[in-house]
Amino acid sequence: EAQVTQNPRYLITVTGKKLTVTCSQNMNHEYMSWYRQDPGLGLRQIYYSMNVEVTDKGDVPEGYKVSRKEKRNFPLILESPSPNQTSLYFCASSLSALHTGELFFGEGSRLTVL
Amino acid sequence: AQSVTQLGSHVSVSEGALVLLRCNYSSSVPPYLFWYVQYPNQGLQLLLKYTSAATLVKGINGFEAEFKKSETSFHLTKPSAHMSDAAEYFCAVSESDFGNEKLTFGTGTRLTIIP
Repeated sequence: EAQVTQNPRYLITVTGKKLTVTCSQNMNHEYMSWYRQDPGLGLRQIYYSMNVEVTDKGDVPEGYKVSRKEKRNFPLILESPSPNQTSLYFCASSLSALHTGELFFGEGSRLTVL
Repeated sequence: AQSVTQLGSHVSVSEGALVLLRCNYSSSVPPYLFWYVQYPNQGLQLLLKYTSAATLVKGINGFEAEFKKSETSFHLTKPSAHMSDAAEYFCAVSESDFGNEKLTFGTGTRLTIIP
């Protein structure tokens, strides 16, 4: 089954404790991206990756890191989480950077930072 | 930058009634427009998309949307609401800034179906 898989789905952590949210897709997609969803703000892009070893900032990259060492994986790293990073996070992928706009989303990771 | 505005963060309709969710966009170039649906505790899935072909676009689950350039609108409709349509709906515009398939989302409309 074609899918984007995120882990963990739910996480409660404390300020400053490094964490990683993993994302993996099995569709051989080149393009991957991370979004955060907050009430009243919709979804905002954090980082994206056009292909392996190519990543770039989205609209709200502060406090996050990513890496793309393999085509299928695109982990989101919070080096020192803060309460304002409490949010619902989505990973998404697409066939290519030119396949305009049609993204496949994971089921989301709900993060709470105390 | 392109943007979308969804009018009404919450919409309630009776089962069997018309569903109308409003979306207006701003864009300096012909846009690609999308509606995504998010069911509880799930990710977003594509409902339909407009890519400059037919102005009336049909999607899954009986939904459709009409692109109206003169009104800069892309409203989502369904003739008869079903209980299973209860979800949050997001309008989005594509900013294909070379290589970045960034979707700019509206703030969402939560649709409630009244039995």
